[in-house]
Amino acid sequence: NSKVIQTPRYLVKGQGQKAKMRCIPEKGHPVVFWYQQNKNNEFKFLINFQNQEVLQQIDMTEKRFSAECPSNSPCSLEIQSSEAGDSALYLCASRQNSGNTLYFGEGSRLIVV
Amino acid sequence: GDSVTQTEGPVTLSEGTSLTVNCSYETKQYPTLFWYVQYPGEGPQLLFKVPKANEKGSNRGFEATYNKEATSFHLQKASVQESDSAVYYCALSGTGGSALGRLHFGAGTQLIVIP
Repeated sequence: NSKVIQTPRYLVKGQGQKAKMRCIPEKGHPVVFWYQQNKNNEFKFLINFQNQEVLQQIDMTEKRFSAECPSNSPCSLEIQSSEAGDSALYLCASRQNSGNTLYFGEGSRLIVV
Repeated sequence: GDSVTQTEGPVTLSEGTSLTVNCSYETKQYPTLFWYVQYPGEGPQLLFKVPKANEKGSNRGFEATYNKEATSFHLQKASVQESDSAVYYCALSGTGGSALGRLHFGAGTQLIVIP
């Protein structure tokens, strides 16, 4: 039973459309990660935050994705212009400041048609 | 860079038989090692983790020993059940700075248990 809440569970977008996913981390977890899991079950790290600040992000995330974790609001990951290759399960995970265990949500499955 | 290699799946077993999923890792750091399990339609769940070399982790009948010399963390279970059918991921975590908590996953091993 995930304590990390992700919405929506599924979204279908046309190529070029925006796709936005949200994540509420587990209570008391200030560090949030986004991973992309493809159809081959491979995980790709996208970005992570500590509170509202970006810790690390990959090039793809810098260019076509936008993400934020505003204070007192859900974190979000948005793809500005969806491509077929973006079809994947987007996983949000959170952890405590000093811990190293990530706790995952159930994911948002994006299908780009 | 950090990497994890694990048994390629799928692995198909009959109920009651034993399981071994091999996991080897490469890193220049001193990682914590994890096993996660992912059921269909769900996110990965922590099965257990081991932060120190030569220690063993276990949960729900699964166990693995952190072998620093062999850089291995093989998952074992003496007797699998149909409900164990899932994808199992070996992962390692960095130990400091912004790398803390960033997990590097293996490719996953799908386990299919036949009743």
